[in-house]
Order: sequence, then structure tokens, then C-alpha cells
Amino acid sequence: GQNIDQPTEMTATEGAIVQINCTYQTSGFNGLFWYQQHAGEAPTFLSYNVLDGLEEKGRFSSFLSRSKGYSYLLLKELQMKDSASYLCAAMDSNYQLIWGAGTKLIIKP
Amino acid sequence: IAGITQAPTSQILAAGRRMTLRCTQDMRHNAMYWYRQDLGLGLRLIHYSNTAGTTGKGEVPDGYSVSRANTDDFPLTLASAVPSQTSVYFCASSERGNQPQHFGDGTRLSIL
Repeated sequence: GQNIDQPTEMTATEGAIVQINCTYQTSGFNGLFWYQQHAGEAPTFLSYNVLDGLEEKGRFSSFLSRSKGYSYLLLKELQMKDSASYLCAAMDSNYQLIWGAGTKLIIKP
Repeated sequence: IAGITQAPTSQILAAGRRMTLRCTQDMRHNAMYWYRQDLGLGLRLIHYSNTAGTTGKGEVPDGYSVSRANTDDFPLTLASAVPSQTSVYFCASSERGNQPQHFGDGTRLSIL
């Protein structure tokens, strides 16, 4: 079957660095997406990886290892506004997104 | 401002009633999607459309129907609402199937 696993909740301190891990199993693979979702709002696109390696975009970076079925989202210089849920989604061979349940990130001052 | 508009924002509905959730995008995206989001679960795909005139079933299509008469509109209909359809419904679109999806603000639906 198809499955996405990510931690339910993480806590970090303002100004610190946090890494949110995601493992996936899909029928075929056409890339890994990360989205941010603030409480009561719509998901917004953060990053897309289809090749192995690290993609950096400002304070956010995303890493992919296709052989391990593994990705992580790295958030640097954490700000209070980064408190949100982070959704990992893998695209299968039919170009459908399989979504994880999301990691709720709590930032403490 | 370009984007996706969903209506209504929220709705309380009696079980057994028919309901259509509206979704309109002005980005001329080919692909559109309907998801439901429930606490503790990931987004689950209900129906999708890769291009105007075509639709497909997602992971949880039972009790729902869609149509895609043109590029911009993708309404979702609950023929006879049941309490298990209480959820937050998100419409999304993408330029093509392998591109990032852009989401509407969601419709919060409660079936009593």
C-alpha cells in the first residue's frame, strides 16, 4: 500500500533549527512536496524535490533520498510565525499526491 | 487577485439534504482537485480532473460527484449528506498534474 509517515508534533525554540522527517512508500514516484498549513487556513506550497539532494530556499531547505524513501524539511532561524503544521506529500505514478497527516510544529519563545 | 475561490465558507446541513460546494479558479490551470481534511488524517483525494471535460475518482469518492464543464469551475456535490461527511473540504488546482497544487480557503461542512 501507499503510506506517508511523519511525526505528529514537534516543539522547538525561537531562533533555533528544526528538522521534520518524512518517510514514504508509493506506487511509483514523481516527487516529494512539502506544504505549510497554519491553523484554520489552507495549505501553501513550500518545496518540491524529485532528485536526490538538498534544495535550499531562504530559511527553509528540503532534502530527498529516493533510495531510502526519505525526506526532511529543515527550518532555520525559527520565528514564531513558523508555528504551523507541515505536510509531506509524495506523488505516485498516477501523479496523485499521497499526504501525510502533518507535523504540528510548536515554537516557544 | 488570481487564485481559487470556494463557496460557501462554512455550512451546517441536515442529513439527507443535497449540497453543492463551489470552486472557481482564474489561473487557467488544467488540473483541479477536491480533498477532505479530517483531524489526525492526511488530506484525502475525493475526485480530480486533469482537464476540462474529464474527471476521475480519488481515494474516497463514495457519496460525492463532480463535473468539469469548463476550465475554471469544479463543483463538488453531495447527493444525500451523511454525518460522516462532516469535514473541511479543500479545492486545489495545478497547471499540470506534476506541478505544485494551489489551494482554496476551504469549506467547513457540518452534517447533523
